Amino acid sequence: QKEVEQDPGPLSVPEGAIVSLNCTYSNSAFQYFMWYRQYSRKGPELLMYTYSSGNKEDGRFTAQVDKSSKYISLFIRDSQPSDSATYLCAMSATGFQKLVFGTGTRLLVSP
Amino acid sequence: GAVVSQHPSRVICKSGTSVKIECRSLDFQATTMFWYRQFPKQSLMLMATSNEGSKATYEQGVEKDKFLINHASLTLSTLTVTSAHPEDSSFYICSAVSSNQPQHFGDGTRLSIL
Repeated sequence: QKEVEQDPGPLSVPEGAIVSLNCTYSNSAFQYFMWYRQYSRKGPELLMYTYSSGNKEDGRFTAQVDKSSKYISLFIRDSQPSDSATYLCAMSATGFQKLVFGTGTRLLVSP
Repeated sequence: GAVVSQHPSRVICKSGTSVKIECRSLDFQATTMFWYRQFPKQSLMLMATSNEGSKATYEQGVEKDKFLINHASLTLSTLTVTSAHPEDSSFYICSAVSSNQPQHFGDGTRLSIL
């Protein structure tokens, strides 16, 4: 079993939809949780990070962490075609040094 | 802020050639830099962790004599793929981190060995 599980998709939604992206994990020691966006042939771009449980909002993006369920989510409101990319979750037990990545979910937002 | 520049973005070369990839943190001092490899439709695989002025720490299964890492300053790390072969063709990505901040990634280098 992988430490971090993420549905590879693709997830196809119409423009304006609310998107929910999720990861589950098995290591209860994980405390730091990150979401990265990766466009084709580019490096990952940090979207949001949270420490421990709870919610964090930044513009159209909301990150949620439920440590009791070992489940994290990224919500995208009013999705745009420019949001089409692969979204990677990453997590760590000790700061931001050694990250464990999910395989990424490919999101397609159609106009 | 937190910009990481990686160069070159694309390399095509013959088998047996050594290739050097540079990773620079442009607006911050990176205490640690990381080198990853990514295969198509797969996630990032950590190859090595590099701290300024010390030897890199390689992940299991990564040949340190094949993938030479130098981290001579707080803003520059280099990865040299020595005597590259077609199986070394991949997307190589670096990241940098400072203090207690998340990793920021370069835009990657697509390496193709003919």
